[in-house]
Amino acid sequence: DAGVTQSPTHLIKTRGQQVTLRCSPISGHKSVSWYQQVLGQGPQFIFQYYEKEERGRGNFPDRFSARQFPNYSSELNVNALLLGDSALYLCASSLVQGVGQPQHFGDGTRLSIL
Amino acid sequence: GESVGLHLPTLSVQEGDNSIINCAYSNSASDYFIWYKQESGKGPQFIIDIRSNMDKRQGQRVTVLLNKTVKHLSLQIVATQPGDSAVYFCAENIGGYGNKLVFGAGTILRVKS
Repeated sequence: DAGVTQSPTHLIKTRGQQVTLRCSPISGHKSVSWYQQVLGQGPQFIFQYYEKEERGRGNFPDRFSARQFPNYSSELNVNALLLGDSALYLCASSLVQGVGQPQHFGDGTRLSIL
Repeated sequence: GESVGLHLPTLSVQEGDNSIINCAYSNSASDYFIWYKQESGKGPQFIIDIRSNMDKRQGQRVTVLLNKTVKHLSLQIVATQPGDSAVYFCAENIGGYGNKLVFGAGTILRVKS
């Protein structure tokens, strides 16, 4: 079975631009979460979506937004890119929402801002 | 808070030895914990999890110990192999916050052949 897939794998943008990152969860998984991982640190929670609704949001500015589609795939959008947005963006899926549900991660999208 | 350190601690072990990786978590309300392994260029890979009503759980070659009194987790790896070399993160799931995971700072495990 395929794991969590993310696209693109790498992306280079300039300051002020907008970016859309995509994620397909493991088949049958209905919850998708997004994390940002800066080099040398652990991932930081951005959003969680379950059944197409936002169920959690981390301490990120409104420039970050996301959505989940009927097939449970998800997109993360970041507007007005800043140099500090350079990071690995990870998507994780779990079967359902809730404590005790292990999250499985994709290999991420490496975003570089010039 | 949710900040993590910039300088990761490193554990170096000889191939075949046992490894113990430690983690201090931040929130006494956390009720679910996961250990992840992250290799260079890849996303975190699920290793083992434990709920707060347990103090020990065993997997294949790995054991997780939970001490809620001092808010401490450890991951024990038996007969460490070169393929175990990676960064290891513990993550806590705070009850009432859905699937949000808060990650620790990470530990680099280096296995010497």
